[in-house]
Amino acid sequence: GEDVEQSLFLSVREGDSSVINCTYTDSSSTYLYWYKQEPGAGLQLLTYIFSNMDMKQDQRLTVLLNKKDKHLSLRIADTQTGDSAIYFCAESMDSSYKLIFGSGTRLLVRP
Amino acid sequence: EAQVTQNPRYLITVTGKKLTVTCSQNMNHEYMSWYRQDPGLGLRQIYYSMNVEVTDKGDVPEGYKVSRKEKRNFPLILESPSPNQTSLYFCASTGAGEQFFGPGTRLTVL
Repeated sequence: GEDVEQSLFLSVREGDSSVINCTYTDSSSTYLYWYKQEPGAGLQLLTYIFSNMDMKQDQRLTVLLNKKDKHLSLRIADTQTGDSAIYFCAESMDSSYKLIFGSGTRLLVRP
Repeated sequence: EAQVTQNPRYLITVTGKKLTVTCSQNMNHEYMSWYRQDPGLGLRQIYYSMNVEVTDKGDVPEGYKVSRKEKRNFPLILESPSPNQTSLYFCASTGAGEQFFGPGTRLTVL
C-alpha cells in the first residue's frame, strides 16, 4: 500500500544547510509535496514537484527527486531560526485528490 | 483573500456529546477534505467530497460523518465522540493543483 516515511528530527546550526529526506512506496505517485507547519499553525505548502522532474529550485529551497529509489529530499540553504518547524512530505496520484503524508520531520535551528 | 476557515479552533468535550466542526472556503473549490493529525502518524484523511452532495470515506472514517449541502461548506460531525478522537483536525480545499489548509481545530474528548 501507500506509505511515506521521514526521519523524525533534524537539528542544524543557523546558516548551515538543512536536508530533510523522505521515501515513498507508491511508484505511481504523480505529485510530491513539501509542507511546513509552524507551532500552533496549519500547513503551508512550500513547494511541489511533478514525478517527471528530477529537481526543482525555489529561492533557498531545492527539491531533489530520485524516482528509481523513490526518494525525495528538501534542501534549505542558509537555514534561519524562522525555518524551525515540522516539515511534511506528501504524495498524491492526482493533484486534486488525497494526499498521503509522512509523519513529519521536526527541524530545530540552533543559533 | 483566499482562505479556509474552521470553527471552533479549540474544543474540549465529553464522551458521547455530539459535536460539529465547521469548515468553509471562499475559493469556489469543488474538492474538500478532512484530515486528522496525530503525533508520529502525520495527517490521515477522514472524509473527502468531490462536489456538492458527493462525499466518500478516506482512510480513517470510523466515528465521523460529513455533509456537503453547498459548495463552500464541509462540516465534520462526531455523533458520539470518544477519547480516541482527541486530535488536531484540518479541513482542506483543493483547486488548481494546490491544497489549502484551514488553521486546525484541536479537539479533546474526555
